[in-house]
Amino acid sequence: AQSVSQHNHHVILSEAASLELGCNYSYGGTVNLFWYVQYPGQHLQLLLKYFSGDPLVKGIKGFEAEFIKSKFSFNLRKPSVQWSDTAEYFCAAYNQGGKLIFGQGTELSVKP
Amino acid sequence: GAGVSQSPSNKVTEKGKDVELRCDPISGHTALYWYRQSLGQGLEFLIYFQGNSAPDKSGLPSDRFSAERTGGSVSTLTIQRTQQEDSAVYLCASSFKPPNTGELFFGEGSRLTVL
Repeated sequence: AQSVSQHNHHVILSEAASLELGCNYSYGGTVNLFWYVQYPGQHLQLLLKYFSGDPLVKGIKGFEAEFIKSKFSFNLRKPSVQWSDTAEYFCAAYNQGGKLIFGQGTELSVKP
Repeated sequence: GAGVSQSPSNKVTEKGKDVELRCDPISGHTALYWYRQSLGQGLEFLIYFQGNSAPDKSGLPSDRFSAERTGGSVSTLTIQRTQQEDSAVYLCASSFKPPNTGELFFGEGSRLTVL
């Protein structure tokens, strides 16, 4: 079955630390990839997306993600996190069948 | 409307009762999704509508769950004979016909608590 896996369930960092959240997907063929973020008390919103082209994509708030096809990975990165980045982060993979499948989510806590 | 609207925002019910959750998508969005968010479970896909038809119902957990969409707009998710394990936040999202953008716009969710 198609699936998306996120390696880390809860990550705790201090401000200014670098962040990398892992995501792997199990689809073959063409796949569209996303990272969504859910800040405390808010609804899910798009952070960044990859459809094709440059495998390094940049999103809002200084986040970026790299698509590595050979590793079926789409890891999220940020060089220096802020307290306001505290949130839950979801990786998602979208196939041409119209279904967007999410990973289990990673809760990020940034200590001031 | 400006965003995806869901109601009720909170629902507490007794085991065995039926509940209806409503979703009003962004105007012009033809695709509508229902997900369930439980602690430690991430977002679980339930059902997807394209217009009024549901090409993929594979995520509905049991025959107690059903959903419909009328007029290509509002959708209702119905849970019959609720069980405690149905307690979760039910999220609705809408988008333009995939795969044009793929971005889903989410509502605030309906938190269901089954006592």
